[in-house]
Amino acid sequence: EVQLVESGGGLVQPGRSLRLSCTASGFTFGDYAISWVRQAPGKGLEWIGFIRNKAHGGTPESAATVKGRFTVSRDDSKSIAYLQMNSLNIEDTAVYFCTRDSGWLHSYWGQGTLVTVSS
Amino acid sequence: EIVLTQSPGTLSLSPGERATLSCRASQTVGNNYFAWFQQKPGQAPRLLIYDASTRATGIPDRFSGSGTGTDFTLTISRLEPEDFAVYYCQQYASSPRTFGQGTKVEIK
Repeated sequence: EVQLVESGGGLVQPGRSLRLSCTASGFTFGDYAISWVRQAPGKGLEWIGFIRNKAHGGTPESAATVKGRFTVSRDDSKSIAYLQMNSLNIEDTAVYFCTRDSGWLHSYWGQGTLVTVSS
Repeated sequence: EIVLTQSPGTLSLSPGERATLSCRASQTVGNNYFAWFQQKPGQAPRLLIYDASTRATGIPDRFSGSGTGTDFTLTISRLEPEDFAVYYCQQYASSPRTFGQGTKVEIK
């Protein structure tokens, strides 16, 4: 069974950093790209970045809204993807989901981890 | 960036009724790389439809997707109690991948 479990969320002050983890099981992690999608409280879904699988270069890509602040990385030996978030601001408060991508389709989702940016 | 506009914002229907949800894209969605997701409160989104009309694994056949180009539709033929939720459309043809703002299907 495909499982994705996000962790690392919590309360953080504006301007600080946080790293989220997405731990995968039930499939060959290295064969798939992994995305991060966030959802602010009471709002819709926003794709914020992904990392390709090794066969496609293993390179990350970020949405313009977080470019330069957020970076996706992966450790295939541990079946974990990371979202490094720097210079956090109040507008980054959201539930962060990781997804397993088939091509660019978000085929499986984790349950999400809540990040609250507040002083 | 492809902007997706869903309509209506809220759909008030009774169990057993037919639901028709629409999503319009600001540009043509290539290869019909278009998906629909269902989200219930406190849960992650669940993939319902991909490639505009293909049901994901385990999705009941009362859910169907159609459309091409810039206009896409999700139809729920007969609403079951568990179908009342928020539905999002998404295009995954070009970067950035974008979502619609959601349609809430509520019990009338």
